[in-house]
Amino acid sequence: AQTVTQSQPEMSVQEAETVTLSCTYDTSESDYYLFWYKQPPSRQMILVIRQEAYKQQNATENRFSVNFQKAAKSFSLKISDSQLGDAAMYFCAYRRGTGNQFYFGTGTSLTVIP
Amino acid sequence: NAGVTQTPKFRILKIGQSMTLQCTQDMNHNYMYWYRQDPGMGLKLIYYSVGAGITDKGEVPNGYNVSRSTTEDFPLRLELAAPSQTSVYFCASEDPRRGIQKLFFGSGTQLSVL
Repeated sequence: AQTVTQSQPEMSVQEAETVTLSCTYDTSESDYYLFWYKQPPSRQMILVIRQEAYKQQNATENRFSVNFQKAAKSFSLKISDSQLGDAAMYFCAYRRGTGNQFYFGTGTSLTVIP
Repeated sequence: NAGVTQTPKFRILKIGQSMTLQCTQDMNHNYMYWYRQDPGMGLKLIYYSVGAGITDKGEVPNGYNVSRSTTEDFPLRLELAAPSQTSVYFCASEDPRRGIQKLFFGSGTQLSVL
């Protein structure tokens, strides 16, 4: 089975500052996808950003960007200009290119301090 | 557009009881999934389905059963509930034909087995 590791159970950031959440993964595949999902207190999971392994360019979605280091098997999420609404649990996830299953990390709880 | 709807939102079961968690989606997605989320453990795949009449086991299928008679519905059956099945259960769907690689989640069912 694939493994996804999030080594930061909790993180905090001041409002308007930048925070980076870490994720590493283990795979022998060359074709795969990586994801960051957000789970706010409402509990419903929402896709934040997605990265295809074959793309060298890091994905960006407004204030959210990733640092994808394929050789190091690292996939960190940077949140710029943090807002109170960013407070949530963030999950890193992996999917093999031809696979059906998503593998999730254990999550990082992000607190935004006003 | 309702998306993925799960019922009930909360349930308490006694050991040995059975119940069915309902999941329906109105997006005509072929792929559907059941995950469980335990504290500090991320999401684990229980069962998934790639279309009506087709189901397959995920990482943690023991104690559960599923069926997929229609594209819209993917119920999860718990037989002989045990305390180890206390968890939050999420249903998700996906349309892989679009190549978007995005899971749409329901809002979850919090189940306690006492």
